[in-house]
Amino acid sequence: DVKVTQSSRYLVKRTGEKVFLECVQDMDHENMFWYRQDPGLGLRLIYFSYDVKMKEKGDIPEGYSVSREKKERFSLILESASTNQTSMYLCASSPISHPEAFFGQGTRLTVV
Amino acid sequence: TQLLEQSPQFLSIQEGENLTVYCNSSSVFSSLQWYRQEPGEGPVLLVTVVTGGEVKKLKRLTFQFGDARKDSSLHITAAQPGDTGLYLCAGDHFGNEKLTFGTGTRLTIIP
Repeated sequence: DVKVTQSSRYLVKRTGEKVFLECVQDMDHENMFWYRQDPGLGLRLIYFSYDVKMKEKGDIPEGYSVSREKKERFSLILESASTNQTSMYLCASSPISHPEAFFGQGTRLTVV
Repeated sequence: TQLLEQSPQFLSIQEGENLTVYCNSSSVFSSLQWYRQEPGEGPVLLVTVVTGGEVKKLKRLTFQFGDARKDSSLHITAAQPGDTGLYLCAGDHFGNEKLTFGTGTRLTIIP
């Protein structure tokens, strides 16, 4: 069964902390994505990677960075967490030239 | 980013009733997907429609892609409590690997 796995279901972090969200996929997909989901705003793309070490900004990259050192792993980094980054974070992957996305279970991050 | 507007935003109906939710945009999409998301989980793909005017059926769910490839609808017949969830549409543009997601319809089926 194909899988996208996010390292944590729930996280609570303090303002100013550096936060790492990890995502691993076992489908050999080229594309990986990080979204955040907030009520009334839908899914908003933070960053996108189409290959190892390649990344592209999404719609809301401010305050975030990403790392993709291996094909199967895509990390989202909050350099200095702030309360407005409290959200549900979703990782997804897709094969190249096929738009259907496979999602992880999500990480609910609370910044206090 | 081209927006996808979904309506209604919230829908609560009795078990056994029929319903339709809509996904509209001013831009043309290469294809459009529908996802369902349950609380605390990630979205799960239901269907992809590719051709303008295309109709796909998945048991009691019927998906249609508009002739102009700018909109889509999801019709559920004889809704059941298991249909409860957040329904998201998403579209991609030709040659672009990124998806644009709709705002979502939160559906509640009352037993």
